[in-house]
Amino acid sequence: GENVEQHPSTLSVQEGDSAVIKCTYSDSASNYFPWYKQELGKRPQLIIDIRSNVGEKKDQRIAVTLNKTAKHFSLHITETQPEDSAVYFCAAPSFAGGSQGNLIFGKGTKLSVKP
Amino acid sequence: NAGVTQTPKFRVLKTGQSMTLLCAQDMNHEYMYWYRQDPGMGLRLIHYSVGEGTTAKGEVPDGYNVSRLKKQNFLLGLESAAPSQTSVYFCASSYGGGQNTEAFFGQGTRLTVV
Repeated sequence: GENVEQHPSTLSVQEGDSAVIKCTYSDSASNYFPWYKQELGKRPQLIIDIRSNVGEKKDQRIAVTLNKTAKHFSLHITETQPEDSAVYFCAAPSFAGGSQGNLIFGKGTKLSVKP
Repeated sequence: NAGVTQTPKFRVLKTGQSMTLLCAQDMNHEYMYWYRQDPGMGLRLIHYSVGEGTTAKGEVPDGYNVSRLKKQNFLLGLESAAPSQTSVYFCASSYGGGQNTEAFFGQGTRLTVV
């Protein structure tokens, strides 16, 4: 089935710096790549997603890039702020073994933004 | 519009006890999922459903059963709880399959098995 690897597991940056989180996936049929943010004690919430027909998507300070050939996608956060501190998860749909596109998540990256 | 609601929010079980977690969504979503979240392990799929009356196994199904008798509800059962099932459980739903649309999560259930 789908295998999603996410790096790094922890990331600490100074306020105003950029942060980059990378994920790789294994199922070549995957065509949708969302990123979720989970604040402490809260539920995961979608922050941005990208489909396989585009290489990059931006939404204010966050952007996601996709390289289908290499099977990796990345989350970029610019001008980081303390409220960006959270755990970020990447995900990709699984189609192997009869799966019907259910999302498989990476293990998460704990981002800490220091004032 | 409450979105996805899970009950209960917290529960402590003794080893061998059984319980059912309830997930309800009011968005008319076809797909529903149960995940467990453990430190350093991310979100792992337990079971999922692609419509009323259907269920399928995810990555870590052992020790759990599910039912989707009504479109808006997805139940997760533990027949004989074990300490290894101590975790935070999240239910989620989406309009289509995970490859098409956003998954909306419930607020989570923190389960401790002693």
